[in-house]
Amino acid sequence: QKEVEQDPGPLSVPEGAIVSLNCTYSNSAFQYFMWYRQYSRKGPELLMYTYSSGNKEDGRFTAQVDKSSKYISLFIRDSQPSDSATYLCAMTWVGAAGNKLTFGGGTRVLVKP
Amino acid sequence: DVKVTQSSRYLVKRTGEKVFLECVQDMDHENMFWYRQDPGLGLRLIYFSYDVKMKEKGDIPEGYSVSREKKERFSLILESASTNQTSMYLCASSLFTLRYNEQFFGPGTRLTVL
Repeated sequence: QKEVEQDPGPLSVPEGAIVSLNCTYSNSAFQYFMWYRQYSRKGPELLMYTYSSGNKEDGRFTAQVDKSSKYISLFIRDSQPSDSATYLCAMTWVGAAGNKLTFGGGTRVLVKP
Repeated sequence: DVKVTQSSRYLVKRTGEKVFLECVQDMDHENMFWYRQDPGLGLRLIYFSYDVKMKEKGDIPEGYSVSREKKERFSLILESASTNQTSMYLCASSLFTLRYNEQFFGPGTRLTVL
């Protein structure tokens, strides 16, 4: 079983819809939770990160962490065609060697005009 | 603006060849990483380095080696390329801190081994 599980999709939604993405994990040591966005033929870029449990909002994006359930989510409101990309969750803990991250497999999202 | 560059965007090699993939970052980051990305498997860590001449195995180091002679440069070496090493290879770098910090990725090298 992978340490971090993520539905690969693809997830296809109409423009303006809410996109809901999630990851589950098994390692309770994880403390920092990130979402990276990767456009086609590009490297991933950090979208958001949260520390421990709770919500964080940044414009149209909301990240949620539920450590008790080992479950994290990313919501994209008012989705745009430019949001079409692969979204990867990633996790780490304080003191991880090299600050290395553990990634989910990524979910491909397609927002149709 | 942080920049991570990789030596090639596309590379085609033959089975058994020795392959060098180079990565350079310009932000004085201590940590550097090599990943491979395959459909359905996501990003898997091959090797990482937290200092010059230091290296640590990641989750899938078999068939690979690395070199870090200078802080800004991290090389991935495939000693004898095989077809199952056909993949997208991504390099990343980050600052060393005692809490989370962002990894910055290069554009990737798509390697095909024939």
